[in-house]
Amino acid sequence: EPEVTQTPSHQVTQMGQEVILRCVPISNHLYFYWYRQILGQKVEFLVSFYNNEISEKSEIFDDQFSVERPDGSNFTLKIRSTKLEDSAMYFCASQGSGRGTDTQYFGPGTRLTVL
Amino acid sequence: EDQVTQSPEALRLQEGESSSLNCSYTVSGLRGLFWYRQDPGKGPEFLFTLYSAGEEKEKERLKATLTKKESFLHITAPKPEDSATYLCAVGAQKLVFGQGTRLTINP
Repeated sequence: EPEVTQTPSHQVTQMGQEVILRCVPISNHLYFYWYRQILGQKVEFLVSFYNNEISEKSEIFDDQFSVERPDGSNFTLKIRSTKLEDSAMYFCASQGSGRGTDTQYFGPGTRLTVL
Repeated sequence: EDQVTQSPEALRLQEGESSSLNCSYTVSGLRGLFWYRQDPGKGPEFLFTLYSAGEEKEKERLKATLTKKESFLHITAPKPEDSATYLCAVGAQKLVFGQGTRLTINP
């Protein structure tokens, strides 16, 4: 069964460093998302991406964040200068298009620890 | 703004003891209500999508129902492997999640 994959599973970085989180969505899906979950809190929407551009972003997704689909299979989230409060699980999700394809399928997540 | 509230926060049952989890929502227009299962340290795993009041969906020991203001996830004769956090979310592209219900099934 097709699934969303994410790398790395765990990333440790120093405050102020740049990190890139990588995702391979389900092939033939057209909508891509990033969410985050701070330990013990709700899953929060960060950004949605369709047709090579951001379609919606949350207040959390400020200028320190960017997303890219560099090729036909990968979808990345970059944090330019990490802060302690960026420590969280980051989930990538993908969704098909067309009738009956409203479901978002999530990857296993990347645990980001900022020291 | 869409809001989702789940109750209870935590529920502990004996194996075989049926119960229900609640998800109350406030939306300007329901585009879909989603149930996910999340194991510790893992990503949300899709269970059900519901679109309109009166709709029901079933999978093994789980059944999800929907009214105009809330959804229930009924679990019948649960087993220890059903222990997880169950998440409810609403939305179309931007999903708004509830806090989740942490379900523990004791053998």
